[in-house]
Amino acid sequence: NAGVTQTPKFQVLKTGQSMTLQCAQDMNHNSMYWYRQDPGMGLRLIYYSASEGTTDKGEVPNGYNVSRLNKREFSLRLESAAPSQTSVYFCASRKGQQAEAFFGQGTRLTVV
Amino acid sequence: GESVGLHLPTLSVQEGDNSIINCAYSNSASDYFIWYKQESGKGPQFIIDIRSNMDKRQGQRVTVLLNKTVKHLSLQIAATQPGDSAVYFCAETSGASYDKVIFGPGTSLSVIP
Repeated sequence: NAGVTQTPKFQVLKTGQSMTLQCAQDMNHNSMYWYRQDPGMGLRLIYYSASEGTTDKGEVPNGYNVSRLNKREFSLRLESAAPSQTSVYFCASRKGQQAEAFFGQGTRLTVV
Repeated sequence: GESVGLHLPTLSVQEGDNSIINCAYSNSASDYFIWYKQESGKGPQFIIDIRSNMDKRQGQRVTVLLNKTVKHLSLQIAATQPGDSAVYFCAETSGASYDKVIFGPGTSLSVIP
């Protein structure tokens, strides 16, 4: 039982490049989330998906797109990376509306 | 604790003492609250949760208190241990959108052996 798995763990991009962060969960959870965490700060919600086939904007969605490919997978895409998107990205999943979230180990992204 | 800009509020406690970590929330419609612990280099991990129809909930060595009147949560850790050193976050969801989980700014707890 792997829980929430994120790939890659580390990535360096040049400004303007695109990439997709992958996330998969094996707990049969309905809801999935993408957060970013900047140094010394809390987690800010980028996008979330309450169920397969639905996605919604969070607090800081600009510059990102998401895809809920199926119940297990929720990907985050940066179409044209900017230095301001340098951050640690966390994926999370939840079973239901009043339940705790389980987090992946994070993807450390640097945009130069 | 207060948080401004890029600096997490920090709480230093002596090993064996009790710790109290505070969290203020702004959305009066929030009705489910969760505390997470984040160790260096890892994702947040669930500690304890509380629903808005409760004022207090206890776990193993931890207690969460909820004061809806002043929109305030606290996490109390009894007999703090070096392994408790981490950043602690409160998170909230509201009845308007239970699926949207918003995190507070966090508090860094440092335990002095």
